[in-house]
Amino acid sequence: GNSVTQMEGPVTLSEEAFLTINCTYTATGYPSLFWYVQYPGEGLQLLLKATKADDKGSNKGFEATYRKETTSFHLEKGSVQVSDSAVYFCALGDSGAGSYQLTFGKGTKLSVIP
Amino acid sequence: DAGITQSPRHKVTETGTPVTLRCHQTENHRYMYWYRQDPGHGLRLIHYSYGVKDTDKGEVSDGYSVSRSKTEDFLLTLESATSSQTSVYFCAISFSRDRGQETQYFGPGTRLLVL
Repeated sequence: GNSVTQMEGPVTLSEEAFLTINCTYTATGYPSLFWYVQYPGEGLQLLLKATKADDKGSNKGFEATYRKETTSFHLEKGSVQVSDSAVYFCALGDSGAGSYQLTFGKGTKLSVIP
Repeated sequence: DAGITQSPRHKVTETGTPVTLRCHQTENHRYMYWYRQDPGHGLRLIHYSYGVKDTDKGEVSDGYSVSRSKTEDFLLTLESATSSQTSVYFCAISFSRDRGQETQYFGPGTRLLVL
């Protein structure tokens, strides 16, 4: 079956530090990959996505590259801000395998301190 | 932001009582989903719908039922609430299951406490 493993949190960084949140996946088919962000008390928002190998998704300074050879989709940002404090979820969608659901990692909580 | 609303946003109920949560969308998307979010588990799919009156079970469907009589509304019912169903419930919608169009958009969530 499908699964997503992302680095355990919480992660605490100082403002302007470099961020990496690791995400690896196992899929029966050829999935699309997503990063979602959840701010306190809110629902999940799509941050970025990639639908095929070597695609790079980017948004709000965040980037992630679909690496099929290493089954990874690591999230990076060069300089984090306090406003980036949130929980980040890596997810895969494998509609080609007949699945309707997104498979989520357990989430990584990021706290950015001034 | 996708036009998705959930009601109620917060609910406290007692064990054994029925509870219905509503998801309403204004995007005319075909696919709708109910997830629950629990610490240490991420999000898990409860039920989903691929059209009016077309629904199916997800990963954690025991104790839940759903109905979809209109494109815009997807109801989740806990027939007899238990404490293990205390959770945050999210509705999501997607336009398609096709690659590139399968992105799911989430509502604001309903926080349910079963005493």
